[in-house]
Amino acid sequence: AQSVTQLGSHVSVSEGALVLLRCNYSSSVPPYLFWYVQYPNQGLQLLLKYTSAATLVKGINGFEAEFKKSETSFHLTKPSAHMSDAAEYFCAVSPLSGGYNKLIFGAGTRLAVHP
Amino acid sequence: EAGVTQFPSHSVIEKGQTVTLRCDPISGHDNLYWYRRVMGKEIKFLLHFVKESKQDESGMPNNRFLAERTGGTYSTLKVQPAELEDSGVYFCASSQELGGNTEAFFGQGTRLTVV
Repeated sequence: AQSVTQLGSHVSVSEGALVLLRCNYSSSVPPYLFWYVQYPNQGLQLLLKYTSAATLVKGINGFEAEFKKSETSFHLTKPSAHMSDAAEYFCAVSPLSGGYNKLIFGAGTRLAVHP
Repeated sequence: EAGVTQFPSHSVIEKGQTVTLRCDPISGHDNLYWYRRVMGKEIKFLLHFVKESKQDESGMPNNRFLAERTGGTYSTLKVQPAELEDSGVYFCASSQELGGNTEAFFGQGTRLTVV
């Protein structure tokens, strides 16, 4: 069965510092991979997705993620954190087969950005 | 264009009572999903509608949960009778197409508290 592990339920960085949020997946074949973000009092918003076209995926708000098959990882990064990046981030996988978008989520990582 | 809307945003009910959550998907989206996040844990899939038909309800916890989507438009999720462990945030999502790499658009969720 597929699963997602996000290392670190809370991450705190200084404004301007590198953001690194870790995600590892378990799957017999490379699945589709997603990062979603939830800002306070809002719904989940798609940041980026990996669909096998390119291993380095660029998303919105300066975020990017790299798919590494050998490490079964899909870590999310941003070179310079902004105060507005404070939110909860979710990594998710979707089966390659199945025909529809049934997402399996990690437990989430709450990012705090301090001045 | 309006996004996915959920009502109510918050609900506090007593154990044994009935609660009905509503989700209005994006107009034209045939696929509608319900997910739930219990405090601090992963967001978990509950079920998937294609138009008015239940495509996959493998994530529904038990028979106290009933989801409907009459006419293939909005959906309701009823919990009857509610138990303490039903507390959490219930998310609805919709997508236009099938396919594991299709973006699902999420509502802001309904926070259900059973006391």
